[in-house]
Amino acid sequence: GAVVSQHPSWVICKSGTSVKIECRSLDFQATTMFWYRQFPKKSLMLMATSNEGSKATYEQGVEKDKFLINHASLTLSTLTVTSAHPEDSSFYICSARDEGSAVYEQYFGPGTRLTVT
Amino acid sequence: GENVEQHPSTLSVQEGDSAVIKCTYSDSASNYFPWYKQELGKRPQLIIDIRSNVGEKKDQRIAVTLNKTAKHFSLHITETQPEDSAVYFCAALNTGGFKTIFGAGTRLFVKA
Repeated sequence: GAVVSQHPSWVICKSGTSVKIECRSLDFQATTMFWYRQFPKKSLMLMATSNEGSKATYEQGVEKDKFLINHASLTLSTLTVTSAHPEDSSFYICSARDEGSAVYEQYFGPGTRLTVT
Repeated sequence: GENVEQHPSTLSVQEGDSAVIKCTYSDSASNYFPWYKQELGKRPQLIIDIRSNVGEKKDQRIAVTLNKTAKHFSLHITETQPEDSAVYFCAALNTGGFKTIFGAGTRLFVKA
């Protein structure tokens, strides 16, 4: 199946700094990618939909100025957590669908565990 | 807005028993219903899916049923094994759109 990679797999940063997470579709193109946040023992919370070449669509309650999304190419979307605070510590997962196929399956990245100290 | 409810939140079964997880969706335009399995610290992975023109689908020990009238669908795992222990998410998608709505997840424990 299609593969989505994410980098880094984990990161520790200090409060007030910014962290960038990359999501790549390795063997397919995706005009749309999704960013989720997952708390321990909780569900996948959709944060935003990343749209190639245009602005991301944010879910209600998600601060777009804090979670900057850039989808500059058909295989790469980035999520930047700006001015990180300890409450931003979480597991961030991206996903994408292979829009060139008839399959609707979402392929998830391995996730990035962010710890803000 | 669209919503998917999933029950139970936690399920514990003895090895060899069956496990059933149920979901209800609100958007009548949903026509694709995948189930994902997420092991601890890993990414969710698709285990089975069903489209709205089908009432039941089976893949070895896993089956999914769909009742479009009632807007609910279920995952059935038979002859459970310890390696089935994981969190399972149901989801619903209108393939004319692009946003998949996930249920809250069910943590399945299979006791040896």
